[in-house]
Amino acid sequence: VIWMTQSPSLLSASTGDRVTISCRMSQGISSYLAWYQQKPGKAPELLIYAASTLQSGVPSRFSGSGSGTDFTLTISCLQSEDFATYYCQQYYSFPRTFGQGTKVEIK
Amino acid sequence: QVQLVQSGAEVKKPGSSVKVSCKASGGTFSSYAISWVRQAPGQGLEWMGGIIPIFGTANYAQKFQGRVTITADESTSTAYMELSSLRSEDTAVYYCARAPRITIFGVVTPGWFDPWGQGTLVTVSS
Repeated sequence: VIWMTQSPSLLSASTGDRVTISCRMSQGISSYLAWYQQKPGKAPELLIYAASTLQSGVPSRFSGSGSGTDFTLTISCLQSEDFATYYCQQYYSFPRTFGQGTKVEIK
Repeated sequence: QVQLVQSGAEVKKPGSSVKVSCKASGGTFSSYAISWVRQAPGQGLEWMGGIIPIFGTANYAQKFQGRVTITADESTSTAYMELSSLRSEDTAVYYCARAPRITIFGVVTPGWFDPWGQGTLVTVSS
């Protein structure tokens, strides 16, 4: 099983801030990592796959980087609609696993 | 544009089973994988298992082995997840999600999850 450590679990920020979320793997997964955004009462939505490929329709203020064991999701200029919970997920091996989630709240 | 539509909310007694459906519309069904992910109240996301309909075989998380069965009916573009021996801890929202087939080290496997179904709330209570 590949364990994932996502940090921070809670991030307080203001509109316009640059925020960074980290995801660390217990073993290397090359670039087989995705990031999702989830808003309350809604299903998760794909933001980034293959560690750094932006899903069609996702604003360019979202970006992903990393490979191997360390990955980062960056939101360059936080907008009001970005306050949500974010999850990383590896699809390198079974079982598929998710990070614990990072809630981005208004400061 | 592919859309996944899940069956409605369920209330079940402990020890019973539940079967949730996930119907795909607007795209090719068999050439993708379908996974099931659940989310307990206030908790994170947990992968349960998945299937590639064209292959017919499913993979399951160890935690649910023996209690979960994932199937797919290509004729109706519908996937199913059945969970048995329900207990209160199984109260959760259950999501299906489509994944593209990718190849890692020469093995075909499901990739990232997109799109997701709207979720089905399963409540287990006596």
